[in-house]
Amino acid sequence: QSVLTQPPSVSGAPGQRVTISCTGSSSNIGAGYDVHWYQQLPGTAPKLLIYGNNNRPSGVPDRFSGSKSGTSASLAITGLQAEDEADYYCQSYDSSVSAVVFGGGTKLTVL
Amino acid sequence: QVQLQESGPGLVKASETLSLTCTVSGGSISSYYWSWIRQSPGKGLEWIGYIYYSGSTKYNPSLKSRVTISVDTSKNQFSLKLSSVTAADTAVYYCARGRGNRPNFDYWGQGTLVTVSS
Repeated sequence: QSVLTQPPSVSGAPGQRVTISCTGSSSNIGAGYDVHWYQQLPGTAPKLLIYGNNNRPSGVPDRFSGSKSGTSASLAITGLQAEDEADYYCQSYDSSVSAVVFGGGTKLTVL
Repeated sequence: QVQLQESGPGLVKASETLSLTCTVSGGSISSYYWSWIRQSPGKGLEWIGYIYYSGSTKYNPSLKSRVTISVDTSKNQFSLKLSSVTAADTAVYYCARGRGNRPNFDYWGQGTLVTVSS
């Protein structure tokens, strides 16, 4: 059971917009700790996609965006492409366990 | 371009100690928090702990009693030791560079699969 809750799977057709939610609590996202997002393509290491809630590292397309409100955060992907098919993880810090925490991951399928 | 590379045995016997080293190239190990993160087969990511280049550490409470992370700045390396391993410790182990003491991870190693055998 992950501290941060993500839907196990989402799907969308090419060109569509999808969102992935990340629900936390008052000891992590709700406490003001930043949320970060990672993309993990099959058989590869995770890649930082969004940091500090809504910032994209250099080289990440602006089709990817992040937001945070209250005890939740979201990753939005617009103009869905086949190459976006991957697992996505949110990550934050939790003060009650005093540890870095990850969501359980969401598998994105491009139909 | 910063690169991280994990090294160590791919097979460890149950009850023994898992030992891995991460070598950092293309940049200094100074001024960052260096983490170990693992992923059990078909599962999600689990943070194990980090070490600051100065040597201060922070561990996941769920693993704290079995984990030691150390750093060798002269070699630009940091290491993981996980004692008393069981089959539940079978996973791909990643090393990663963290920014800040509540970090995000901007550079990752390719990962190394460690299997615990009985």
